[in-house]
Amino acid sequence: DARVTQTPRHKVTEMGQEVTMRCQPILGHNTVFWYRQTMMQGLELLAYFRNRAPLDDSGMPKDRFSAEMPDATLATLKIQPSEPRDSAVYFCASGWPNTDTQYFGPGTRLTVL
Amino acid sequence: QQPVQSPQAVILREGEDAVINCSSSKALYSVHWYRQKHGEAPVFLMILLKGGEQKGHEKISASFNEKKQQSSLYLTASQLSYSGTYFCGTERTGGGNKLTFGTGTQLKVEL
Repeated sequence: DARVTQTPRHKVTEMGQEVTMRCQPILGHNTVFWYRQTMMQGLELLAYFRNRAPLDDSGMPKDRFSAEMPDATLATLKIQPSEPRDSAVYFCASGWPNTDTQYFGPGTRLTVL
Repeated sequence: QQPVQSPQAVILREGEDAVINCSSSKALYSVHWYRQKHGEAPVFLMILLKGGEQKGHEKISASFNEKKQQSSLYLTASQLSYSGTYFCGTERTGGGNKLTFGTGTQLKVEL
């Protein structure tokens, strides 16, 4: 049963600390998305990659957020420094080549105090 | 710009039907529907492509009106398991698989 995995599932940190979230897409998927979900803003696209290359990161605050795909099995989202307004659930999703379906991971619930 | 969903919330008794609407101000290539249960990840339901036919999935089906940039999700004979928040995700023409999600519709099915 292929699934997108994300670590950690929960993270509590203090303002100013660095946070790194990891995602392992489904094997064979070449498109990876990072979303943030809050009650106020709903599901927002932060960035996405195809074949490990960043295609769009316009939804991401550039000064503190960064997203990378060091290899085809790992995507990372980093926040440095973190702020209380970054508290949210961060989802990673992946998709097969040439299809539009996105499969979501379980999410990382981030709380910044 | 975020697509608008209506209604925002709906409560049904088991066996009743519901319609959830999604409207965009942009020309769309596709509309995706997801369901999310509390504390869980969104789960893909179906995709409707421009020029495609109405889709169905058991007792859940959807339509896409390309001219009006609107999509509707139809839930018939609702079951308790249908409870959750339904999101439409819209892909603009030339959007490159990039989805913009709607505000969500909370659906609760009661006995």
